[in-house]
Amino acid sequence: EVQLVESGGGLVQPGGSLRLSCAASGFIFSTYWMHWVRQAPGKGLVWVSRINGDGSITTYADSVKGRFTVSRDTGKNTLYLQMNSLRAEDTAVYYCTRAERYCSGISCRTSEYYFDFWGQGTLVTVSS
Amino acid sequence: SYELTQSLSVSVALGQTARISCGGNNIVSKNVHWYQQKSGQAPVLVIYKDTNRPSGIPERFSGSNSGNTAILTISRAQAGDEADYYCQVWDSSTGGVFGGGTKLTVL
Repeated sequence: EVQLVESGGGLVQPGGSLRLSCAASGFIFSTYWMHWVRQAPGKGLVWVSRINGDGSITTYADSVKGRFTVSRDTGKNTLYLQMNSLRAEDTAVYYCTRAERYCSGISCRTSEYYFDFWGQGTLVTVSS
Repeated sequence: SYELTQSLSVSVALGQTARISCGGNNIVSKNVHWYQQKSGQAPVLVIYKDTNRPSGIPERFSGSNSGNTAILTISRAQAGDEADYYCQVWDSSTGGVFGGGTKLTVL
């Protein structure tokens, strides 16, 4: 059974830092892209970042680029999100997701993703 | 950047058919995925790549995609289907794109 368990959320002051963790089990962790998706209170889902199986490729939403860093430890089957220079607008539940990757178009030039398993989320509150 | 538009809310009578739409420019050229999020819970994938149901999702859930609109259809709606539903596509320049979500109420 696939399980994703996030931890590390909490209350942090503006400008502060926090590191989220996501412990994965029930699948071969190193073979999947993993993504972070967040949801502000009462709002919709927003994609945050992605990382490939060996951690060599990462991308970010513009809103967090330069402040957040995604990484993974395949030996520990754990995904991380280091969040620096936190702002009030970063307040949200952060979900760790496993992504299924598939080819886009006949030529398969690009890959696309959907999120087949989600963790329960961890709440990050940025406030003074 | 690519945008997806969803109605804020949809209501359906118990046992009837609910249709939740997701609008986007030439969305038919994209693969659309749908998620169900019940109150206080994490999202769950209910349809992937326009029309496919993951294991464990009832056949009552189906999807379609044509022109500028993708639709999630829930047949024989049950009280347990009350939730927020989100559509999602992948955009090569910006990453994951979600619609704003539709709240389904079963009357």
